Amino acid sequence: EVQLLESGGALVQPGGSLGLSCAASGFRFSSYAMTWVRQAPGKGPEWVAAISGIGYSTYYVDSVKGRFTISRDNSKNTLSLQMNSLRAEDTAIYYCAKGRYDSGSYYNDPLDYWGQGTLVTVSS
Amino acid sequence: QSVLTQPPSASGTPGQRVSISCSGSSSNIGSNTVNWYQQLPGTAPKPLIYRNNQRPSGVPDRFSGSKSGTSASLAISGLQSEDEGDYYCAAWDDTLNGPVFGGGTKLTV
Repeated sequence: EVQLLESGGALVQPGGSLGLSCAASGFRFSSYAMTWVRQAPGKGPEWVAAISGIGYSTYYVDSVKGRFTISRDNSKNTLSLQMNSLRAEDTAIYYCAKGRYDSGSYYNDPLDYWGQGTLVTVSS
Repeated sequence: QSVLTQPPSASGTPGQRVSISCSGSSSNIGSNTVNWYQQLPGTAPKPLIYRNNQRPSGVPDRFSGSKSGTSASLAISGLQSEDEGDYYCAAWDDTLNGPVFGGGTKLTV
């Protein structure tokens, strides 16, 4: 059974930093691209960052480029998101999600399993 | 404003058929496949349709997807109260070089 368990969400001040983690199990982690998707209160989901199975390729939405870093440790089946210079508009539930196809590429790859999400609140 | 345009709301009565549209452009729907996600209240989104019209295992055949040109559509037949929630289309955008979601459609049954 595929399981994705996010952790690390918290209340943080504007300009601060926070790291999120996602523990994955139930599938061959290194074969699949992984993604962070966020959903602000009352809004639709937004892709934040994605990483290929081996970790060589990454994608970031423009609004987080230069501030967020996605990474993965295939030996520990863990996905991470380091968030720096946080802004109020980064406030959202952050979901870890698995790509559907075992090509390892996130290109045009739908998301077939999602975690329960972790809440990040940026406020003074 | 989302790259993919969906009606903000849709509604129907139990047993009816409802359709939700998703309009894009040549750089997204026109050149890539469309996926649909269902988000029930208080839960994470879950996949509903892959690659325009493929249902994941466990999704009832009441749900169907189609695509024509730069638009896609999700149809739900035999509407049930538990279908009430938000529905999002998504596709890769070649201009943005990344994936995009539609703004979402809130379905009321």
